[in-house]
Amino acid sequence: ETGVTQTPRHLVMGMTNKKSLKCEQHLGHNAMYWYKQSAKKPLELMFVYNFKEQTENNSVPSRFSPECPNSSHLFLHLHTLQPEDSALYLCASSQDLPYEQYFGPGTRLTVT
Amino acid sequence: DQQVKQNSPSLSVQEGRISILNCDYTNSMFDYFLWYKKYPAEGPTFLISISSIKDKNEDGRFTVFLNKSAKHLSLHIVPSQPGDSAVYFCAARPNFGNEKLTFGTGTRLTIIP
Repeated sequence: ETGVTQTPRHLVMGMTNKKSLKCEQHLGHNAMYWYKQSAKKPLELMFVYNFKEQTENNSVPSRFSPECPNSSHLFLHLHTLQPEDSALYLCASSQDLPYEQYFGPGTRLTVT
Repeated sequence: DQQVKQNSPSLSVQEGRISILNCDYTNSMFDYFLWYKKYPAEGPTFLISISSIKDKNEDGRFTVFLNKSAKHLSLHIVPSQPGDSAVYFCAARPNFGNEKLTFGTGTRLTIIP
């Protein structure tokens, strides 16, 4: 039990669909992150939220839209994705600066 | 340009022996380094970290060594156990309050019983 949960664990969507990924952390942390992990590539940071405020958008296309309604919840809204967006999407949280980030299990996304 | 490199995609080690995982970095502004372990179908789990003011940090069977002049760090696991079979990621962050961790591509460690 890592204290960070993600739903759904698997998602298959067409390029015209709209879907959302959800992340919840039960650790009392202030910062939350979205990462993308593609095959044979390093983890890529997408977004950072600190105290519900977005502090980093790592040049992510607008078809990915994050939402952080409070320090415990983080969403990633997806629309008109491309097949190359198929990847494992990981959520993480940390207390203030990310000396140690705690990761959720990830959502395996397949875009058809 | 990959700033954190794990040049060995895989490593096999006999149970009971020492596993040594290596990581090189290019950004001299990195000052805090972490190792994460990832099992299939799970997210990465924090394992051990080291600050640039140290050259060694030990936690049970896990020891991380940092060679700043060579921009190299390594994770030693001794003795290796079957449960250590996983993908290990090295990560680093700079020293100016930036939240961003930069990860390597990972090394898949297999412990042979």
